[in-house]
Amino acid sequence: AQSVTQPDIHITVSEGASLELRCNYSYGATPYLFWYVQSPGQGLQLLLKYFSGDTLVQGIKGFEAEFKRSQSSFNLRKPSVHWSDAAEYFCAVGKETSGSRLTFGEGTQLTVNP
Amino acid sequence: NAGVTQTPKFQVLKTGQSMTLQCAQDMNHEYMSWYRQDPGMGLRLIHYSVGAGITDQGEVPNGYNVSRSTTEDFPLRLLSAAPSQTSVYFCASRRTGNNGELFFGEGSRLTVL
Repeated sequence: AQSVTQPDIHITVSEGASLELRCNYSYGATPYLFWYVQSPGQGLQLLLKYFSGDTLVQGIKGFEAEFKRSQSSFNLRKPSVHWSDAAEYFCAVGKETSGSRLTFGEGTQLTVNP
Repeated sequence: NAGVTQTPKFQVLKTGQSMTLQCAQDMNHEYMSWYRQDPGMGLRLIHYSVGAGITDQGEVPNGYNVSRSTTEDFPLRLLSAAPSQTSVYFCASRRTGNNGELFFGEGSRLTVL
């Protein structure tokens, strides 16, 4: 069974500081990996995804993530955080077949201090 | 485009009442799904569908029914609401194929008293 762990429930950073959100997955084959962001009262929006190829993927809003198969990780990074990045972030794993389902992590709440 | 539309956005029920959460998408997506979101538990899959007439259970299906009579609509029914079903519910859809991105509705907040 596939599973996702986000070890950090809540992270606080200062505006302008760098950010790394951790994601570890368990999956028996090559995973499809996603990061979603949820602003308060909103649905989830896709930040980036990894299917294959280059292990460093770029997403929207200046985010990037690196797939490390040896560590079963897909950590999300941003070099300089903006106050508008405050939100909840979800990592998800799945596979691309017609009946596949995405499994989400528990989420990491990001607070940005001025 | 409207994308994924959920109604209602807020609902309060009494224990034992029934209701239906509506979900419609206008992107001609084959795959549709319902998740519930609870604090500290992320999103958990309730039911999903890979096309009209086909539905299947997710992680937490008990207490919920679904049907998929058209490609566009995927309603979620609570037959006898319980306080444990107090949650925020999200409908999501995507194409089947080499894409995988789920598109989410804005959520429906349900409180069962």
